[in-house]
Amino acid sequence: EVQLVESGGGLVQPGGSLRLSCAASGFTFSSYWMSWVRQAPGKGLEWVANIKQDGSEKYYVDSVKGRFTISRDNAKNSLYLQMNSLRAEDTAVYYCARGNFPLDPWGQGTLVTVSS
Amino acid sequence: DIQMTQSPSSVSASVGDRVTITCRASQGISSWLAWYQQKPGKAPKLLIYAASSLQSGVPSRFSGSGSGTDFTLTISSLQPEDFATYYCQQANSFPPTFGPGTKVDIK
Repeated sequence: EVQLVESGGGLVQPGGSLRLSCAASGFTFSSYWMSWVRQAPGKGLEWVANIKQDGSEKYYVDSVKGRFTISRDNAKNSLYLQMNSLRAEDTAVYYCARGNFPLDPWGQGTLVTVSS
Repeated sequence: DIQMTQSPSSVSASVGDRVTITCRASQGISSWLAWYQQKPGKAPKLLIYAASSLQSGVPSRFSGSGSGTDFTLTISSLQPEDFATYYCQQANSFPPTFGPGTKVDIK
């Protein structure tokens, strides 16, 4: 069974940092693009970043460029999102998803709350 | 960025009803469109990709159509488990963008 499990969310103060992880299983992780998508409370979906199979290409939405870094460890079947200089508007559930397009499947999400 | 709009924003329907949701792109996206279903507190689930291709395991009552700027998701006979929010997503141009969602609830 294909499974994605996110972890690392929590409460952080504005300006702080957090590292999200996504553990993949049930498929050949190194063969797929991987993506992060977020959803602010009660709001819609926003694509955040994606990364090519070998990590050689990475793309970000403008609002996180320079603050977030996507990475992967194919030996550990893991995807990461390093989030620095966090702002209140980064508060959201963060989902990892397999693929570039379409996104399938998605993990269950991890909640990041940026507040003082 | 390509803006995606959906209509209606919400619809109340009964079990057995035919429901159609429209998604419009601010510029042509060919068939680079997907539809996702999200239930409260759950992750989105892929229903349709490439505008009209049914994802494996998704019931055949779901169908998608359209190309260019106008797309539709149709549920031919609404079932109790279909009450959810539906999002379209384009990936023709960077960055990929989602529509605002359409909530389907019980009449």
